[in-house]
Amino acid sequence: GIQVEQSPPDLILQEGANSTLRCNFSDSVNNLQWFHQNPWGQLINLFYIPSGTKQNGRLSATTVATERYSLLYISSSQTTDSGVYFCAVEPRIQGAQKLVFGQGTRLTINP
Amino acid sequence: DGGITQSPKYLFRKEGQNVTLSCEQNLNHDAMYWYRQDPGQGLRLIYYSQIVNDFQKGDIAEGYSVSREKKESFPLTVTSAQKNPTAFYLCASSVHMNTEAFFGQGTRLTVV
Repeated sequence: GIQVEQSPPDLILQEGANSTLRCNFSDSVNNLQWFHQNPWGQLINLFYIPSGTKQNGRLSATTVATERYSLLYISSSQTTDSGVYFCAVEPRIQGAQKLVFGQGTRLTINP
Repeated sequence: DGGITQSPKYLFRKEGQNVTLSCEQNLNHDAMYWYRQDPGQGLRLIYYSQIVNDFQKGDIAEGYSVSREKKESFPLTVTSAQKNPTAFYLCASSVHMNTEAFFGQGTRLTVV
């Protein structure tokens, strides 16, 4: 099946720093989402971005579907940005209709 | 308020007992999903349903069962056949397959 790899696995930054999280996937996809898992475990939707670029405040994301990767940018990090960021893809293979998750990037923002 | 509600938030179960986790959505979504998350890991798909009265096994369906009798409800039963049931369980829904998915707050199941 499709492989989803996120890097780096862990990232520790000071407040105010910028960061880039990467998601590589091994096959064509219909759908790609970025989530932030908060300390209570809830998954917060950040972006639904099968291709192109989107921005929402300090966060932006770019997916280059032809090269099979997506990037999540966080600018001017705040301590509340801490948590685990997941990339999830829906393979284009017929009958695969499900989201496949990467292992996540654990981001820690220190004050 | 529209959303996905999972209950209970915490659940303790004795070994050998079946337990049912609730997932309700009022978003009028056709598709619903159950995922399992183990510490430090990503999410793995247990079951999904594209429409009422239909559901399909995901990657780790053994030891679990589901039903989809109503559009808004997709309960998950963790049976005694599940060898390692202690985990965090997340329910999700989407308008239909291949569209943006939204998650509930999760149920943390502990077998004692």
